[in-house]
Amino acid sequence: GNSVTQMEGPVTLSEEAFLTINCTYTATGYPSLFWYVQYPGEGLQLLLKATKADDKGSNKGFEATYRKETTSFHLEKGSVQVSDSAVYFCALSEDYGQNFVFGPGTRLSVLP
Amino acid sequence: EPEVTQTPSHQVTQMGQEVILRCVPISNHLYFYWYRQILGQKVEFLVSFYNNEISEKSEIFDDQFSVERPDGSNFTLKIRSTKLEDSAMYFCASSEGSGTNTDTQYFGPGTRLTVL
Repeated sequence: GNSVTQMEGPVTLSEEAFLTINCTYTATGYPSLFWYVQYPGEGLQLLLKATKADDKGSNKGFEATYRKETTSFHLEKGSVQVSDSAVYFCALSEDYGQNFVFGPGTRLSVLP
Repeated sequence: EPEVTQTPSHQVTQMGQEVILRCVPISNHLYFYWYRQILGQKVEFLVSFYNNEISEKSEIFDDQFSVERPDGSNFTLKIRSTKLEDSAMYFCASSEGSGTNTDTQYFGPGTRLTVL
């Protein structure tokens, strides 16, 4: 079946540091890939997505590129802020109307 | 911007009681979903719903669970006889059902269910 693996953390960085959160997936077809963010006490918010190989999703300074050859969708940000402290979930969807498969989440703490 | 809403934000119940969690999906969306997240763990799929019937469900979604769209706006999850292990955050989501695999699911803020 489909699955998503990501570094579980926690990841602790200083403000303005570079962030990478690794995500790899296993899927039978050609899924769409997503990053969701969960701020403390809140629900899941879509951060970015990519729907086909070599697509780059970007939002709020975060980027991720759909790499079919390595089945990866790593999340990056050049300079993190304290307000980026949250749990980040990588997810995939095989087709419309199909359930999302989530990774375990990576907790990021950014220190001032 | 339209959003998915859920009520209540927190529900406390006694073991063995029935609970109904409510969701209002985004109005033009066609697919609805329930997920749960046990504290500190991953988000797990429960069920998806389309055209007034369940389209897919996970092994977690056993006979104690049911879903319903009682009117044109609400989407509910009923847990018939709650167990301690049902304590979790329950997320509702909806998607347009655009006919392509670019369909994005939009999540509500969640209902925290505590079973005592």
